[in-house]
Amino acid sequence: KNQVEQSPQSLIILEGKNCTLQCNYTVSPFSNLRWYKQDTGRGPVSLTIMTFSENTKSNGRYTATLDADTKQSSLHITASQLSDSASYICVVSGTSGTYKYIFGTGTRLKVLA
Amino acid sequence: ETGVTQTPRHLVMGMTNKKSLKCEQHLGHNAMYWYKQSAKKPLELMFVYSLEERVENNSVPSRFSPECPNSSHLFLHLHTLQPEDSALYLCASSRLAGETAEKLFFGSGTQLSVL
Repeated sequence: KNQVEQSPQSLIILEGKNCTLQCNYTVSPFSNLRWYKQDTGRGPVSLTIMTFSENTKSNGRYTATLDADTKQSSLHITASQLSDSASYICVVSGTSGTYKYIFGTGTRLKVLA
Repeated sequence: ETGVTQTPRHLVMGMTNKKSLKCEQHLGHNAMYWYKQSAKKPLELMFVYSLEERVENNSVPSRFSPECPNSSHLFLHLHTLQPEDSALYLCASSRLAGETAEKLFFGSGTQLSVL
């Protein structure tokens, strides 16, 4: 069964600290993996997309990594800011079946001053 | 601002009411989607439209009825809902349908409460 699991479920860190969010997936065959950020009361917004051949991709203070062999991805946030408080959702797409974006349940991050 | 606008932002309705959710995208995209987001559960795909034609109906109960009059507008008509239908309903669009490399652009959602 195609699944995406994220950990931790929630995380609290102090402003300025770094953190890493994890995503494990069983989607096969694999096409790409996206990380989305969802602020409270808003829809998700895409941060990065990674395909099979990419190991690392950065977007400002956000760095995503992908290990297609172990089917794991991580999102590293550097020098966190209060505005980073949000849910971070990992979404994996397969090559078979159309419109098949498999969503994780997300990690809820809270950054404290 | 993602270019996808949803109204209303909040909706409270009784189980016998009929209401509609509206979504409009200003991005020139050809595909539009309805997703359901419940607490602590992954987003669930409900419907997909490509160039105003429904191309996916993900085993959604008939009390949810989508309508796509043109490629910029999408509606979700609701009738005789159940309390378990309470959730955040998200509309999304993408440039093309059927291409999973395409980025989804989401609206802010309608928070629905069924009493």
